[in-house]
Amino acid sequence: GNSVTQMEGPVTLSEEAFLTINCTYTATGYPSLFWYVQYPGEGLQLLLKATKADDKGSNKGFEATYRKETTSFHLEKGSVQVSDSAVYFCALGNQGGKLIFGQGTELSVKP
Amino acid sequence: DAGVTQSPTHLIKTRGQQVTLRCSPKSGHDTVSWYQQALGQGPQFIFQYYEEEERQRGNFPDRFSGHQFPNYSSELNVNALWLGDSALYLCASSLIGGSINEQFFGPGTRLTVL
Repeated sequence: GNSVTQMEGPVTLSEEAFLTINCTYTATGYPSLFWYVQYPGEGLQLLLKATKADDKGSNKGFEATYRKETTSFHLEKGSVQVSDSAVYFCALGNQGGKLIFGQGTELSVKP
Repeated sequence: DAGVTQSPTHLIKTRGQQVTLRCSPKSGHDTVSWYQQALGQGPQFIFQYYEEEERQRGNFPDRFSGHQFPNYSSELNVNALWLGDSALYLCASSLIGGSINEQFFGPGTRLTVL
């Protein structure tokens, strides 16, 4: 069945460091891929998405490229800020509209 | 433009009781999905409603049931609560004719079962 695997956290970085959070997936067909962010005590916010192979999603300085050959959708940001501290979830969506999430990666950015 | 709203924010119940959670979708959306997020885990899909019918269901027992109303709002009902049902319950809305996978989430209802 479909599944998503993310790198384990927590990830602790200093402000302005480079961020990579790895995400790989297993899926039949051609799913859409998403990154969601969850700030403490809140629901999930869509950060970026990609709907087909080689698409690059980007938002707020974050980027991720849909790599079909490596079944990956790694999240990157060139320079993190303290305000980026949150839990990040990689997810895939099938044609039926169901989202399958990874376990989440907690990011903590220190000043 | 109001986003997805959920009520109540927090809820405390005891084992064996029943609970109803409510969700209003984002304006213009017609599809509602429910997810359960246990502490420290990713959300797990419970079910999805469209046109007042259950369209898809995840691997949850029949104790979990739902309803969608003509105005697209939705309820999640859980019967015979047990400790393992303690979680954050998230509602997400989307538009069936649009990018259905692009779901917008509410702030969630935190359910604690004692």
